[in-house]
Amino acid sequence: EIVLTQSPGTLSLSPGERATLSCRASQSVSSSYLAWYQQKPGQAPRLLIYGASSRATGIPDRFSGSGSGTDFTLTISRLEPEDFAVYFCQQYGSSPRYSFGQGTKLEIK
Amino acid sequence: EVQLVESGGGLVQPGGSLRLSCAASGFTFSSYEINWVRQTPGKGLEWVSYISSSGGTRYYADSVKGRFTISRDNAKNSLYLQMNSLRAEDTAVYYCARERNGYNQDYSYYYYMDVWGKGTTVTVSS
Repeated sequence: EIVLTQSPGTLSLSPGERATLSCRASQSVSSSYLAWYQQKPGQAPRLLIYGASSRATGIPDRFSGSGSGTDFTLTISRLEPEDFAVYFCQQYGSSPRYSFGQGTKLEIK
Repeated sequence: EVQLVESGGGLVQPGGSLRLSCAASGFTFSSYEINWVRQTPGKGLEWVSYISSSGGTRYYADSVKGRFTISRDNAKNSLYLQMNSLRAEDTAVYYCARERNGYNQDYSYYYYMDVWGKGTTVTVSS
């Protein structure tokens, strides 16, 4: 089973700043199997990025994804107030079918 | 509007059973594969089960294999999760999520879940 480790656990930034979130896999992952989600309190996860770098429908272009192999990054270029949330990376595998990172909480500084 | 709505959660004693439902609307349900994913504060997000569009293929996480059964009724646009022999560690918010998969332009194959319900809470406690 591939384990995804996200860092940092909590990121404290101000609106307008740039956020860089990391997701590291315990073994190489196909880029097309890597996705990022945003989750706000009391809400379901929302797809942001799939295939490591493709934005989902309706996602603002301040969100971008990059990476390959074992290291993947979600970047938010200029933080808006509504971006403060928890972010998860997820990969598709054979067993289990999907696994998730433990999440990075992005909080207002 | 594309939507998934879960129901059926509640409080159940250890060893008991519960059946979750997921109602789909706004898209052709019978064309999509669907997953159940659960979330706890301690373990985070955990994939639980998958069912193909026809219902002919089903997969389960090791933690629920033999206790949970996924099924669907395409005529009713509905997905189900029958949960038996429930344990305290099954306590979670359960989400149904639509899967997307297919070929990219570079012929790589993608997988992700693009539509999620708001979840239903299952509490297993005496």
